[in-house]
Amino acid sequence: GQNIDQPTEMTATEGAIVQINCTYQTSGFNGLFWYQQHAGEAPTFLSYNVLDGLEEKGRFSSFLSRSKGYSYLLLKELQMKDSASYLCAVRDGDYKLSFGAGTTVTVRA
Amino acid sequence: IAGITQAPTSQILAAGRRMTLRCTQDMRHNAMYWYRQDLGLGLRLIHYSNTAGTTGKGEVPDGYSVSRANTDDFPLTLASAVPSQTSVYFCASSPSGAADTQYFGPGTRLTVL
Repeated sequence: GQNIDQPTEMTATEGAIVQINCTYQTSGFNGLFWYQQHAGEAPTFLSYNVLDGLEEKGRFSSFLSRSKGYSYLLLKELQMKDSASYLCAVRDGDYKLSFGAGTTVTVRA
Repeated sequence: IAGITQAPTSQILAAGRRMTLRCTQDMRHNAMYWYRQDLGLGLRLIHYSNTAGTTGKGEVPDGYSVSRANTDDFPLTLASAVPSQTSVYFCASSPSGAADTQYFGPGTRLTVL
């Protein structure tokens, strides 16, 4: 099976930066995804990494190190609307997608 | 508006009853998926279909069945519901299979008493 770990909760102040870490152990690797999920809503796609390095999309960036089985999602200039759960998901060698339990980020004024 | 729809939005069901959760997409995506989401456990794959006419088992398939008669529809059936199937169920689709990004429907909140 797959093992994907991310912190359960994080709290940060509006305008600050938060980094959500994700470590994984999978049988094979075909990419890592980050999804955002607001309470009571569906997950929505944020980012995808398949090669090592940093992918930047506006205020959000995602980093991957395949050799370390490690990724992080960086949220900059936090806004109240960024309060949500952030899901790390890894696609394994059989192209199955496995999700971590999610990190709930609370942004305080 | 293109996307994925699920029905019902929520349902309370007596244990032992049969229930079908509906999922329809109008994006002509080949692959479709059913997940359940439980607190502290994250999303877990129940069943998937890489193309119309084919289905496969995911991580937690027991007690569930699916069919894929056409591209657009992917219903999930609970033959005899049990309380442990209380969960939020999400349907998802991707354009051409497991190598693509998955897009999720709004979810069905199911309570089995």
